[in-house]
Amino acid sequence: DGGITQSPKYLFRKEGQNVTLSCEQNLNHDAMYWYRQDPGQGLRLIYYSQIVNDFQKGDIAEGYSVSREKKESFPLTVTSAQKNPTAFYLCASSKGNLGGSGNTIYFGEGSWLTVV
Amino acid sequence: QQPVQSPQAVILREGEDAVINCSSSKALYSVHWYRQKHGEAPVFLMILLKGGEQKGHEKISASFNEKKQQSSLYLTASQLSYSGTYFCGTVDTGTASKLTFGTGTRLQVTL
Repeated sequence: DGGITQSPKYLFRKEGQNVTLSCEQNLNHDAMYWYRQDPGQGLRLIYYSQIVNDFQKGDIAEGYSVSREKKESFPLTVTSAQKNPTAFYLCASSKGNLGGSGNTIYFGEGSWLTVV
Repeated sequence: QQPVQSPQAVILREGEDAVINCSSSKALYSVHWYRQKHGEAPVFLMILLKGGEQKGHEKISASFNEKKQQSSLYLTASQLSYSGTYFCGTVDTGTASKLTFGTGTRLQVTL
C-alpha cells in the first residue's frame, strides 16, 4: 500500500540527547514536510523540502535539523538545543508544489516524543 | 501569522448543522480543510482553489471568498463520526510552497 510511514510511534528522550524521527513515503511525492503539534494546539511547520538535497526552514526550525538525500526519505533530528521537544510530530508529503496547483498534503500517522 | 478559525469549539446534537469559519490576513491561492480525531493524524477533507468552485463531500461542503480571504466549512445533518478538531490550512501568494494551519475548531456531536 502507498503511504507515509513514520517511526518510531513513541519515543522517550533524556535531557541533552539528540533523537531522530524517521519518515519514509512511497507515493512518489516530490515535497515533504515536518509539523509539530503540542497538546490541544494547532500544527506548526518545522521544515519542508520540495526537492532532493534542498530544504527550507519553517516557522519553528530552531533546535531541529533535517536532511533530504533521497526522494522518499525526510528524517527529522530533534537536537538538545530544542528546550521543550515534548510534542506530536507529523510528517507529510505532497505531489508537488502547493500554490494554486490543486496539490495538498497528506500526513503520516505521527510520532509522539516525550522528554524524561 | 496563522489563519484564525471560529468558533473555537462547538457542541451539536446529531442531525444538527454547523459552520466553521477560517479567516486569513493574506491573499490566498488555496484553502485546505482537515479533520483530526484525538491522538490521530489530520485527514484531508477538501481543497478550495482561487477562482475555483465550491466543493462538496457527502454532507460536508465548503466555500472560499477570495476577496475577503475567508473560507467556511458547512457540516449538515451532523453524525457522531463528525466529532473531532477541524483545521483549515492556507497557501498564501507570498509563500506558495507551504501550508499554514489555522487555530482549529473542536466539534463534538452528541446523541
